[in-house]
Amino acid sequence: GIQVEQSPPDLILQEGANSTLRCNFSDSVNNLQWFHQNPWGQLINLFYIPSGTKQNGRLSATTVATERYSLLYISSSQTTDSGVYFCAVDPQAGTALIFGKGTTLSVSS
Amino acid sequence: EAGVTQSPTHLIKTRGQQATLRCSPISGHTSVYWYQQALGLGLQFLLWYDEGEERNRGNFPPRFSGRQFPNYSSELNVNALELEDSALYLCASSLAGQQETQYFGPGTRLLVL
Repeated sequence: GIQVEQSPPDLILQEGANSTLRCNFSDSVNNLQWFHQNPWGQLINLFYIPSGTKQNGRLSATTVATERYSLLYISSSQTTDSGVYFCAVDPQAGTALIFGKGTTLSVSS
Repeated sequence: EAGVTQSPTHLIKTRGQQATLRCSPISGHTSVYWYQQALGLGLQFLLWYDEGEERNRGNFPPRFSGRQFPNYSSELNVNALELEDSALYLCASSLAGQQETQYFGPGTRLLVL
């Protein structure tokens, strides 16, 4: 089955710093989503981005489907950005999301 | 617009009992997905329902089952609970069709003692 690898596994930042999280996947996908899991466990949708580039405030994401990777950029990080960021892919549209192991981000003031 | 809702938020059971978890999708969404997030195992796909039918199943034993009702809400049943079933169970919903975003509920934390 498809493999999803996220890097780095852990990231520690000072408030105001920028960061790049990476997601590599081993096969073609029809769906790629980025999520932020808050301390209470809820998965918050960040981007639906099977290809191309999107921006939402301080966050942006780029997926290069032909090279099988996606990047999540966080600029001017804030303490509220702390948590686990997951990349998830769907190799066949309309079926299950396969999740990476996540990147745990800690932002200190 | 209300998001995906799940109940209960927490559930404590003993080994061998049965657990029933419930999920209400976003209005207009017909697909419901269940995922398990156990400590150390990450997020794993359990079940997918669409239009009342089970469409896909993850690598879980048959004691994990569920159903989808005519109003598209869903129930996940776990029989003969084992200690390792302790986990956060997340439900997601999406519109029908291909390439649709999945939206997640807050989850049910199941603890098996």
